[in-house]
Amino acid sequence: AQKITQTQPGMFVQEKEAVTLDCTYDTSDQSYGLFWYKQPSSGEMIFLIYQGSYDEQNATEGRYSLNFQKARKSANLVISASQLGDSAMYFCAMREMDSGYALNFGKGTSLLVTP
Amino acid sequence: ETGVTQTPRHLVMGMTNKKSLKCEQHLGHNAMYWYKQSAKKPLELMFVYNFKEQTENNSVPSRFSPECPNSSHLFLHLHTLQPEDSALYLCASSQELAGVSYNEQFFGPGTRLTVL
Repeated sequence: AQKITQTQPGMFVQEKEAVTLDCTYDTSDQSYGLFWYKQPSSGEMIFLIYQGSYDEQNATEGRYSLNFQKARKSANLVISASQLGDSAMYFCAMREMDSGYALNFGKGTSLLVTP
Repeated sequence: ETGVTQTPRHLVMGMTNKKSLKCEQHLGHNAMYWYKQSAKKPLELMFVYNFKEQTENNSVPSRFSPECPNSSHLFLHLHTLQPEDSALYLCASSQELAGVSYNEQFFGPGTRLTVL
């Protein structure tokens, strides 16, 4: 079964607007970590933000914030003040402490920022 | 060089060829990973090495053979591949700490492999 679900294959946002990329996850572990990565057309996966399952505050990193709703098992990424350089694939991933080192990735969301 | 580097960046090979992908990390990490990224599929973890020991092998066909001679270098040896093995192969590294879920994985730029 898919552990990470990203329901938006593609998203458009206008420059300077905010956008939310959805991510839901499935786990029975109590301890886990959630990650968001950005993949530009060059191929490299760039780490954006992390949320631990025990963190009570939503994670923020510059223009990125993670809307963590534990009961709903969702970890949506919010990008504020979008820039043209934000156009890329965005992947949500989860690591479960009882499952070794694996990062389970979703299928990704393609974000296009328009002028 | 900084971060995680991968060579070659692009590779085209026939089904009978033997080739190797190389990954090097300059971050002092103790764990390295191979992932496969196919079109329209999530990244798939292939192999994990922790302190040079293979700790995970996610049912990868034997035509893919990993090698980790030291904690900074990771190879993926390829032989008699199939066209469906065409994909982006990403290497990553992390500093593993016991009991900690936050072990960010740093990725290389990937090798785009095409099997003819």
